Amino acid sequence: GNSVTQMEGPVTLSEEAFLTINCTYTATGYPSLFWYVQYPGEGLQLLLKATKADDKGSNKGFEATYRKETTSFHLEKGSVQVSDSAVYFCALSENTGNQFYFGTGTSLTVIP
Amino acid sequence: NAGVMQNPRHLVRRRGQEARLRCSPMKGHSHVYWYRQLPEEGLKFMVYLQKENIIDESGMPKERFSAEFPKEGPSILRIQQVVRGDSAAYFCASSPLDRAVNEKLFFGSGTQLSVL
Repeated sequence: GNSVTQMEGPVTLSEEAFLTINCTYTATGYPSLFWYVQYPGEGLQLLLKATKADDKGSNKGFEATYRKETTSFHLEKGSVQVSDSAVYFCALSENTGNQFYFGTGTSLTVIP
Repeated sequence: NAGVMQNPRHLVRRRGQEARLRCSPMKGHSHVYWYRQLPEEGLKFMVYLQKENIIDESGMPKERFSAEFPKEGPSILRIQQVVRGDSAAYFCASSPLDRAVNEKLFFGSGTQLSVL
């Protein structure tokens, strides 16, 4: 079956620290991979995506590389800001279906 | 172009009452997904609908829950005889008819259901 596993939170970092949120997946086919972000009181927004192995998705200083050999899609940012405080969800979508599978989410708090 | 609209934002019900959650997808979108977010459990898929059809309801509880997406009007998620365990945030997402399989979903802001 298909599933996504994220590192558990919450994660608290100081401003300008380096961020890594781990995500691994299990899929029966060749999925597309996504990171979504949820700011307080809002719905999820797409942060970045990658559609095939070795692709790197990037947006707003965040990056994630689709690693087929390790079935991973870890989210990284070199220098976090207070405004990055949110919940981050890793997700996959099989290329033969319409379902999205989400991880449990990782809460990030960045303190000044 | 308005985004995905969900209402109400907050809904309070007493045990045994009915809850109706509404979702208007983005203009031009004919696919609707419902997800439930429980504390500490992340997002769980509930149901996927197209206009007038339920495509995948594998995530829906077998009893008390139903969903529809009529030809006209919003998609409705209906919970009958609510219990405290139904308290959660319910999110709706939409995508266009010709969505590529790697295209993103557009999410609404959610409805927070509280059962007293």
